[in-house]
Amino acid sequence: DAKTTQPTSMDCAEGRAANLPCNHSTISGNEYVYWYRQIHSQGPQYIIHGLKNNETNEMASLIITEDRKSSTLILPHATLRDTAVYYCIVKGQAGTALIFGKGTTLSVSS
Amino acid sequence: EPEVTQTPSHQVTQMGQEVILRCVPISNHLYFYWYRQILGQKVEFLVSFYNNEISEKSEIFDDQFSVERPDGSNFTLKIRSTKLEDSAMYFCASSATSRETQYFGPGTRLLVL
Repeated sequence: DAKTTQPTSMDCAEGRAANLPCNHSTISGNEYVYWYRQIHSQGPQYIIHGLKNNETNEMASLIITEDRKSSTLILPHATLRDTAVYYCIVKGQAGTALIFGKGTTLSVSS
Repeated sequence: EPEVTQTPSHQVTQMGQEVILRCVPISNHLYFYWYRQILGQKVEFLVSFYNNEISEKSEIFDDQFSVERPDGSNFTLKIRSTKLEDSAMYFCASSATSRETQYFGPGTRLLVL
């Protein structure tokens, strides 16, 4: 599975959009980009995933560049409860394991 | 909304003792996983399980660990002889197929003294 690179930390004001970048320059054609978050020491929470097209659900939007080498998770109106570690994970269809990196610690403040 | 549940939420044990961590995956899911997170470190994959067999395991998942689906609902992780370094949060996850999204439980915090 391709390796991902994320900034260590980011800050966001409450009510503003949070844009979390992820680089995955070695991604291959059949690998998906997944985003999870972990609030404190709770279990990782699934947010969204995509292959090529941009995706949106009730939690967030995922923008994947045309060359698929990077993506951005967008939380459109961040709240204090969105303070968490956000993980960008590339997963192929062959293996079953999710390989977590250190993620981005997002701090939302009022 | 269906959830993965785990019991107990906390477990304290003495070094050398056996522990069994329990998970109830989402009911129509067929793939089950265990991950662990040592305090302050990354979430690490341990094992995946399908059709009563291990389908993938990491280097961490050595002979001290075993997994089982003893009945139609529970999925367990057994650590035969716990070590201090087994202290961690243990997360169970499940997915409908190997290609679909994995959903995680709230975790069991294991402390080995």
